Amino acid sequence: KNEVEQSPQNLTAQEGEFITINCSYSVGISALHWLQQHPGGGIVSLFMLSSGKKKHGRLIATINIQEKHSSLHITASHPRDSAVYICAVYTDKLIFGTGTRLQVFP
Amino acid sequence: DGGITQSPKYLFRKEGQNVTLSCEQNLNHDAMYWYRQDPGQGLRLIYYSQIVNDFQKGDIAEGYSVSREKKESFPLTVTSAQKNPTAFYLCASSIGPGQGYEQYFGPGTRLTVT
Repeated sequence: KNEVEQSPQNLTAQEGEFITINCSYSVGISALHWLQQHPGGGIVSLFMLSSGKKKHGRLIATINIQEKHSSLHITASHPRDSAVYICAVYTDKLIFGTGTRLQVFP
Repeated sequence: DGGITQSPKYLFRKEGQNVTLSCEQNLNHDAMYWYRQDPGQGLRLIYYSQIVNDFQKGDIAEGYSVSREKKESFPLTVTSAQKNPTAFYLCASSIGPGQGYEQYFGPGTRLTVT
């Protein structure tokens, strides 16, 4: 079993829908990272959080340390949000989930 | 603009040849990392360096080598000993080593070996 599990693996949505991507982990962590990978391959950092909630534009990330779970929400989704979203946790190194592929259609 | 550059974006090599992937950062970060990405798998750590002239093996170091002669540069050599070198390679850096320092990623190099 992977130490970091994401769900769903694939997600399709219509423009404007509310999106939720989940991340569960089984190890003790100091922080959690949400990353976005576009088709070209480059990775952009969205959030790094160790407690509570963070918001940036239409993106919201939450983490529950006791339940070892984090969610990434996208409000009013747009086709440009189409990407792979990766959850990664900090232990003595960064451990990555396998990603959630999101496609948003107009 | 500060950031991480990797070159080239696409690289093709024949089996049995060594190949070196470039990674440069101008963020003044101490720590640098190399990851490999394969379809359906999470990124896996190949090597990391916490400071100049020092580097450590990651989870999948076999068949790879690195050097860290300058703070800005952390080249990765994929040797002929690497059994399955075709993959997407990502370089990253962080202000400091260890837990919790946010990592910043380069655009990646897609290596194809035939």
